Amino acid sequence: DIQMTQSPSSLSASVGDRVTITCRAGQSIYTFLSWYQQKAGKAPKLLIYAASSLKSGVPSRFSGSGFGTDFTLTITSLQPEDFATYYCQQTHSTPLTFGGGTKVEI
Amino acid sequence: QVQLVESGGGVVQPGRSLRLSCAASGFTFSNFGMNWVRQAPGKGLEWLAVISFDGNEKYYADSVKGRFTISRDNSKNTLYLQMNSLRAEDTALYYCAKDQGSTIAEYGMDVWGQGTTVTVSS
Repeated sequence: DIQMTQSPSSLSASVGDRVTITCRAGQSIYTFLSWYQQKAGKAPKLLIYAASSLKSGVPSRFSGSGFGTDFTLTITSLQPEDFATYYCQQTHSTPLTFGGGTKVEI
Repeated sequence: QVQLVESGGGVVQPGRSLRLSCAASGFTFSNFGMNWVRQAPGKGLEWLAVISFDGNEKYYADSVKGRFTISRDNSKNTLYLQMNSLRAEDTALYYCAKDQGSTIAEYGMDVWGQGTTVTVSS
């Protein structure tokens, strides 16, 4: 199974900050990586797929990058509605696996 | 609108069975792979299973392999998860989620239901 390690597990930020979340895969997954945002009490929402493709309707302040084993999700100019937990997921091979999550707090 | 609605959750004793359903609407259900994902209270997301658009391919997480079975009825636009030999650690909110692309899971899961809660307790 491919282990996904996210860091940090939580971070504190302010509105307007640039935030970077890292996800590392236990082996190369090329660009088979997705990012999700989950707000409290809500279902996850797909933000980024194929490592860097922005899901339609997602604000352009979200971006993804990386290849192989190291990936990042960047939020430029954090907005109040961005405070949430973010998960990466590898889609290279089953069993599909999620990272442990990163909680972005004020 | 595109929608997934889970049902079938509840309180069940350890060792018993439960079947979850996920009713799809607003898209051509038979064109997409479908997944089950769960989230234990206060924990992260755990992918459980995926089924191809035609039901011919099924894959499972190790934690549920041999106990859970994913299936679908394209004539009813419904996804199922049969859960047998339930354990306390299966207590969670269970989501169904649609594959974005036509290839299993390749491009992530772009539509999620609101979840149904399963509690395994004596």
